Amino acid sequence: GEEVAQTPKHLVRGEGQKAKLYCAPIKGHSYVFWYQQVLKNEFKFLISFQNENVFDETGMPKERFSAKCLPNSPCSLEIQATKLEDSAVYFCASSLGQGTPLHFGNGTRLTVT
Amino acid sequence: GEDVEQSLFLSVREGDSSVINCTYTDSSSTYLYWYKQEPGAGLQLLTYIFSNMDMKQDQRLTVLLNKKDKHLSLRIADTQTGDSAIYFCAETFNDYKLSFGAGTTVTVRA
Repeated sequence: GEEVAQTPKHLVRGEGQKAKLYCAPIKGHSYVFWYQQVLKNEFKFLISFQNENVFDETGMPKERFSAKCLPNSPCSLEIQATKLEDSAVYFCASSLGQGTPLHFGNGTRLTVT
Repeated sequence: GEDVEQSLFLSVREGDSSVINCTYTDSSSTYLYWYKQEPGAGLQLLTYIFSNMDMKQDQRLTVLLNKKDKHLSLRIADTQTGDSAIYFCAETFNDYKLSFGAGTTVTVRA
């Protein structure tokens, strides 16, 4: 597609439940990024992929967060055993290659109650 | 380093020009970006400038880059109510990852 598509738009989970977010990058883009936007508009880098391979996972809280980008499937970000502090907007972005502009999706708002 | 700083708020009268300023730290950044975020919406890539340029103009938007001072600005001419949003400055870090500022909330008053 011509834009990054994220689903769902909103997700509500009780503390301890699992949350799974999806992202379809722009067709032809080989890099996919996940960012978390928390209070005060701060963006935190989580993970990036080059095609289906993890490129940089330095921002991922390893204990409960995992992500995948498999061929012919949307990329996914999964949070096991959600906590209240996981409440945020999760943005996916894609880019054509290294050093090229990132294009963002509309985000998934996760609310953990 | 990956610190990007920008002022938090800007109030401007409709029809006037808005100027949003940003400073960054990574001198090896290849691109610098301006993104716009409207309430409850995603991030819209407004414009970007390659680091070997001083200026880029795109309709009502003018981006100025002072690489020596690591200063980036976005000027919006003839600001409209639809320009009310949060504007994020961002630099590429390690040539692919983005580092964002905290965002400048622009309020356009009639």
